[in-house]
Amino acid sequence: QKEVEQDPGPLSVPEGAIVSLNCTYSNSAFQYFMWYRQYSRKGPELLMYTYSSGNKEDGRFTAQVDKSSKYISLFIRDSQPSDSATYLCAMSSGGADGLTFGKGTHLIIQP
Amino acid sequence: DSGVTQTPKHLITATGQRVTLRCSPRSGDLSVYWYQQSLDQGLQFLIQYYNGEERAKGNILERFSAQQFPDLHSELNLSSLELGDSALYFCASSPDGTLSTEAFFGQGTRLTVV
Repeated sequence: QKEVEQDPGPLSVPEGAIVSLNCTYSNSAFQYFMWYRQYSRKGPELLMYTYSSGNKEDGRFTAQVDKSSKYISLFIRDSQPSDSATYLCAMSSGGADGLTFGKGTHLIIQP
Repeated sequence: DSGVTQTPKHLITATGQRVTLRCSPRSGDLSVYWYQQSLDQGLQFLIQYYNGEERAKGNILERFSAQQFPDLHSELNLSSLELGDSALYFCASSPDGTLSTEAFFGQGTRLTVV
């Protein structure tokens, strides 16, 4: 079992829909959770950063962490075609081990 | 623009050769991380440097090495290249050595080994 599991998609939804992206993980030491957006042939761009469990909102984006279930989510409201990209979850225990990434979900927002 | 600069953007080289990838971190950031991204493995952490010293190692091959210079730029050296080393190599930086903080990525170097 991989440390971080993420459905690769593609996930295709119409413009304006609410998008839900998820990751599960197995390492209970993870305490720091991030979501990155990566456009084709570009570097990952940090979207959200959350410590421990709970919710965090930033504009149209909401990140949720449920440590008891080892499950994290990213919600995108009022999705736009410009949101079409690959979304990567990443997490860390805070120790000297770098960030552990999911493989990414390819999201397509249809105009 | 994340503020992290990587050069070159593209590199094509032959098997057995050696290449050097360069990274300039965001202004003020002391930590530099190197990641490899391939289709089958995703983003894999290679190595981290903090203020000139190696801080953490991930899945970095012995044929690969890195260093961080006094001006905080970093270089990743890849030697005895194999076809399987073809990938996107990303550099990321963060303000301190705490791996739990968010990291900001450069645009990557696409390495093709032929």
